[in-house]
Amino acid sequence: AQSVTQLDSHVSVSEGTPVLLRCNYSSSYSPSLFWYVQHPNKGLQLLLKYTSAATLVKGINGFEAEFKKSETSFHLTKPSAHMSDAAEYFCVVSYTGGFKTIFGAGTRLFVKA
Amino acid sequence: GAVVSQHPSWVICKSGTSVKIECRSLDFQATTMFWYRQFPKQSLMLMATSNEGSKATYEQGVEKDKFLINHASLTLSTLTVTSAHPEDSSFYICSAGEGANYNSPLHFGNGTRLTVT
Repeated sequence: AQSVTQLDSHVSVSEGTPVLLRCNYSSSYSPSLFWYVQHPNKGLQLLLKYTSAATLVKGINGFEAEFKKSETSFHLTKPSAHMSDAAEYFCVVSYTGGFKTIFGAGTRLFVKA
Repeated sequence: GAVVSQHPSWVICKSGTSVKIECRSLDFQATTMFWYRQFPKQSLMLMATSNEGSKATYEQGVEKDKFLINHASLTLSTLTVTSAHPEDSSFYICSAGEGANYNSPLHFGNGTRLTVT
């Protein structure tokens, strides 16, 4: 069965320090993987996507993620956190057969001044 | 980039009335749109898949007669919450994909906060 696990329900970092949001997936097929960000009372905005090209994917706002097939992981990173990065982040997996998508439970990122 | 517009952004209605939420793809055509419900501090729960020109596909446990979905054109899907009750109060979000395959990312509306009094 396909699933997505975001390993941390919340992460707290200081401004200017690195960010790591962890995501693991399970799949019998080659998935497409996405990270989205949601600010309060807003929809989801696409940060980046992996679709079987380069394993290191660069996204918007300085975020990037690395697809590691052997570890079935797709962790999101950013070298230096900014206050505006405080939000909810969702790891999403899609599979063949149409728009079958599975959302992770989300990780709330807190950024301290 | 692709934009999905969702209206209204918030609505307050009285118990027993119906509320319609619109989801529009502004610069692309979407044969398929999705409707989600999000409870506080939780992930998105897929309610239904809206297919242009055909009936929507509802997820298990979602009442199709309460949550009416119409996808009359390639750029517009509507969700009508009929005979709304306080327990229907929630954040509703729609999404649409640009392409017809799983590699295409979904584009999300900004959501609608529904409060039923």
